[in-house]
Amino acid sequence: DGGITQSPKYLFRKEGQNVTLSCEQNLNHDAMYWYRQDPGQGLRLIYYSQIVNDFQKGDIAEGYSVSREKKESFPLTVTSAQKNPTAFYLCASSPGGQVNEKLFFGSGTQLSVL
Amino acid sequence: QQPVQSPQAVILREGEDAVINCSSSKALYSVHWYRQKHGEAPVFLMILLKGGEQKGHDKISASFNEKKQQSSLYLTASQLSYSGTYFCGTEWGDDKIIFGKGTRLHILP
Repeated sequence: DGGITQSPKYLFRKEGQNVTLSCEQNLNHDAMYWYRQDPGQGLRLIYYSQIVNDFQKGDIAEGYSVSREKKESFPLTVTSAQKNPTAFYLCASSPGGQVNEKLFFGSGTQLSVL
Repeated sequence: QQPVQSPQAVILREGEDAVINCSSSKALYSVHWYRQKHGEAPVFLMILLKGGEQKGHDKISASFNEKKQQSSLYLTASQLSYSGTYFCGTEWGDDKIIFGKGTRLHILP
């Protein structure tokens, strides 16, 4: 079945450590997105990519980095510069990169700080 | 800047109706609506495009008022399965979707 897969489901980060969240899709979608969700804050856009080898910052990109070397993969690295990384992270994709198309979401990764 | 959703939370009894509003400070190109159950991924409900159209399926519908820069989601004869947090996502012609803070809906039997 086609879908979007995030891993791991739970992740713990130590102080000063970089961690990478995986997002893979087999829907042949061009666009991919990373959102951060905190209680009462909704979904806030971190980074998005409309096409392979290109990506743009969202509203809260500081302390995060991404790559889009392959169409099906859009990993998110939470760097040590992100001082408050505890949150639920959601990856999403859409077919042609047009914003009048629905987003398909992964099941999310809960990141916590040790 | 996030779109503003209202109300923040709603408690209904099964069978009652609800309206959730989404207001933007900028001209809208499209509005997305999603519902999320706790700890799960958001699920797509519908997209409304610039043009003031109203869409819907079953007992959930939505309107898009381009002039007022707002959209409303209508839930009629609510069912227990409608419980969750509803998010509107707005697009302002810059190829990215910005979501509101959400409206928590709780349906009582």
